[in-house]
Amino acid sequence: GEDVEQSLFLSVREGDSSVINCTYTDSSSTYLYWYKQEPGAGLQLLTYIFSNMDMKQDQRLTVLLNKKDKHLSLRIADTQTGDSAIYFCAESLGQTGANNLFFGTGTRLTVIP
Amino acid sequence: ETGVTQSPTHLIKTRGQQVTLRCSSQSGHNTVSWYQQALGQGPQFIFQYYREEENGRGNFPPRFSGLQFPNYSSELNVNALELDDSALYLCASSPDQSSGGTDTQYFGPGTRLTVL
Repeated sequence: GEDVEQSLFLSVREGDSSVINCTYTDSSSTYLYWYKQEPGAGLQLLTYIFSNMDMKQDQRLTVLLNKKDKHLSLRIADTQTGDSAIYFCAESLGQTGANNLFFGTGTRLTVIP
Repeated sequence: ETGVTQSPTHLIKTRGQQVTLRCSSQSGHNTVSWYQQALGQGPQFIFQYYREEENGRGNFPPRFSGLQFPNYSSELNVNALELDDSALYLCASSPDQSSGGTDTQYFGPGTRLTVL
């Protein structure tokens, strides 16, 4: 079955770059997503990448996809204290992202002032 | 702001009771999905509705059921509540692909259900 894995914790100093990693098992994934969840809140879509791309940049966020190794990463440049949250990687297996998402367990990012 | 709202925000029930959670999608979003997020876990897919029909289901028992209405609102019903049903329940909506919308799911803030 589908399995999405992430490391549980990451701590960085304010101003440094953060890199959050994710591995997934299903090679038929069509879309891969990064969501952010702050305490007690729902999920905020940060960015997504189509499986035929290997990189996507959006302001401070850079997503890298290595389809051969089934590895996805999210780099946050100039990390701020407001970036402290749980970050979820998710894959979609359908023809479009409207099909169900499989989530990892999330990486808790702590930004140290 | 995703334009997806959920009610109530919090709910406390006792074992064996029934609960109805509500979601209001963005206008024009014909697909709604429901997820269960247990404490410390990632969200798990419960089911999805497209144009008022169930369009896929995760590994949840039949006591989890849903409805979708023409006015972009939907419900998640859970019967015979168990302690393990305590979780954050999230709904997510997606635009109708035929209208050229994007493929992503937009989440509401969730309903936190506590079963005692």
